[in-house]
Amino acid sequence: LAKTTQPISMDSYEGQEVNITCSHNNIATNDYITWYQQFPSQGPRFIIQGYKTKVTNEVASLFIPADRKSSTLSLPRVSLSDTAVYYCLVGDIDTGFQKLVFGTGTRLLVSP
Amino acid sequence: NAGVMQNPRHLVRRRGQEARLRCSPMKGHSHVYWYRQLPEEGLKFMVYLQKENIIDESGMPKERFSAEFPKEGPSILRIQQVVRGDSAAYFCASSPFSGQNTGELFFGEGSRLTVL
Repeated sequence: LAKTTQPISMDSYEGQEVNITCSHNNIATNDYITWYQQFPSQGPRFIIQGYKTKVTNEVASLFIPADRKSSTLSLPRVSLSDTAVYYCLVGDIDTGFQKLVFGTGTRLLVSP
Repeated sequence: NAGVMQNPRHLVRRRGQEARLRCSPMKGHSHVYWYRQLPEEGLKFMVYLQKENIIDESGMPKERFSAEFPKEGPSILRIQQVVRGDSAAYFCASSPFSGQNTGELFFGEGSRLTVL
């Protein structure tokens, strides 16, 4: 399983763009990169998933360089409600979700 | 379409008692996953079930823990003879059966077990 490394915490202010980078040096050919968001006292929520280059949805963008050894989750113009823990997961989703490992994540604090 | 439903949301047990946590997956989902989260830690996989089958229980403690997903009714995670170290949030997630996985798990709100 590819191990991921991401910052323990980040601070930002409302309206700013936040970029959270995740390192996954030993990512395998069949692995996808998936990000989840978790609010206090709630279950994680899927944000975005990608394999290479750039993926964008209504919530975030995911940038993946050609070597795929890292990825960056970009949250445009964050608000207070974006305060949460963000998890980067790497794994071959076709072999089963149970193989996706949730680390300790990045705790994002958005201040007024 | 209701999401993943877990109950109880909070459960208090004394050491030695049994805890039963229930999970109803989203409508149309036949795959259920249980995770445990200790305070300030990430989620740890416990068990993966399909209807009437345990597919992967590699994350389950060998003793006192069991899970089932019967043909009818919710999935149940059962912890016998609870100890203080079992205090945690237990999350259930579901996914649809699909020939193409999307990488998306749908999580419930969790059940918080406190062992006194």
